[in-house]
Amino acid sequence: EPEVTQTPSHQVTQMGQEVILRCVPISNHLYFYWYRQILGQKVEFLVSFYNNEISEKSEIFDDQFSVERPDGSNFTLKIRSTKLEDSAMYFCASSGTRGGEAFFGQGTRLTVV
Amino acid sequence: GIQVEQSPPDLILQEGANSTLRCNFSDSVNNLQWFHQNPWGQLINLFYIPSGTKQNGRLSATTVATERYSLLYISSSQTTDSGVYFCADNDYKLSFGAGTTVTVRA
Repeated sequence: EPEVTQTPSHQVTQMGQEVILRCVPISNHLYFYWYRQILGQKVEFLVSFYNNEISEKSEIFDDQFSVERPDGSNFTLKIRSTKLEDSAMYFCASSGTRGGEAFFGQGTRLTVV
Repeated sequence: GIQVEQSPPDLILQEGANSTLRCNFSDSVNNLQWFHQNPWGQLINLFYIPSGTKQNGRLSATTVATERYSLLYISSSQTTDSGVYFCADNDYKLSFGAGTTVTVRA
């Protein structure tokens, strides 16, 4: 069964460093998303991506964040100058159509120390 | 954006019990999804249910879009049903509720 895969599963980084979180969406999907979940809280939308450009972004997704689809399969989230409060689980998701069923990767747990 | 309220926030069940989780929306429901977040943090798709009723084993869900709510039924609960259950409105992006934490005791 097709699935969304994310790497790494865990990442520990020092404050101020840059991290890149990687995702491989389901192969025939066209819409890609990043979400964040701070421990014990709800899942928050960060950004959606379609046709090689950002479709929508939340207030959380400021200049510290960027997304890229460097090739036909990968979808990345870059976080620059990480802060302690960036520590969270980051989920990638994809869907085949706008508003269609979204499938999530297993998440990357980011810890900023 | 749409506000999603889930109730109850916490639920403790004895194994074998049945339960109902509810999701209310502040606006018209688009395409509703239910997820189960397991103890490892993974979000598992349960239902994609814009309207009507669906069943999958011991779980079933009903969405009444015109009345802006959805229900998730768990029957004959098992310890493996423990975790957090989220509903989300899917309108180009998912707007999640705060979740219902379910604990099933043996």
